[in-house]
Amino acid sequence: EAGVAQSPRYKIIEKRQSVAFWCNPISGHATLYWYQQILGQGPKLLIQFQNNGVVDDSQLPKDRFSAERLKGVDSTLKIQPAKLEDSAVYLCASSSFQGLLNEQFFGPGTRLTVL
Amino acid sequence: AQSVTQLDSQVPVFEEAPVELRCNYSSSVSVYLFWYVQYPNQGLQLLLKYLSGSTLVESINGFEAEFNKSQTSFHLRKPSVHISDTAEYFCAVSDRNTGGFKTIFGAGTRLFVKA
Repeated sequence: EAGVAQSPRYKIIEKRQSVAFWCNPISGHATLYWYQQILGQGPKLLIQFQNNGVVDDSQLPKDRFSAERLKGVDSTLKIQPAKLEDSAVYLCASSSFQGLLNEQFFGPGTRLTVL
Repeated sequence: AQSVTQLDSQVPVFEEAPVELRCNYSSSVSVYLFWYVQYPNQGLQLLLKYLSGSTLVESINGFEAEFNKSQTSFHLRKPSVHISDTAEYFCAVSDRNTGGFKTIFGAGTRLFVKA
């Protein structure tokens, strides 16, 4: 079974530029998560999708971050414009059932550096 | 509100020595508890989980964790570590909210096994 795919793996941009990250979850997984992991901290949930609907985006900075999952499969996370404090690893995860088990499978992440 | 505290940011230990990585949580409702491991340059992987039943849970590579409700703890232990166990370990707690299950991660503990 293929794992969660993310691209790019690394991205360096200057502040005020825009950037987009792509995630393809495990086939059949209805729930998709985007996390931000700042160096020295644990992953922080940005947004959670159930199929193509948003379940939780309470910690997404909506003035600059946006995410979509149009067909309930792959997803894109965008930052526009980027700030220095957005430097982090962006993790995508998926799970097959948003209920009891809630076991999440993580992709390798995209490391973003904002200069 | 949920929170997870990992009491040690780094734990250096010699090979074949025992190790305990500490995790305490707070939540007002029934919880599900997880330990994830992140090897260098890889995504997070589920190590073990407590959903219900026996309070002692084990992983396939010799780690175990015990759910202690009275002390709100879920410490991770291994009686004899290997060099290959060097990684970052994240404790996570999940409970049900209005949108389903929400997972909060601790800040992580970096385990460094020395020869």
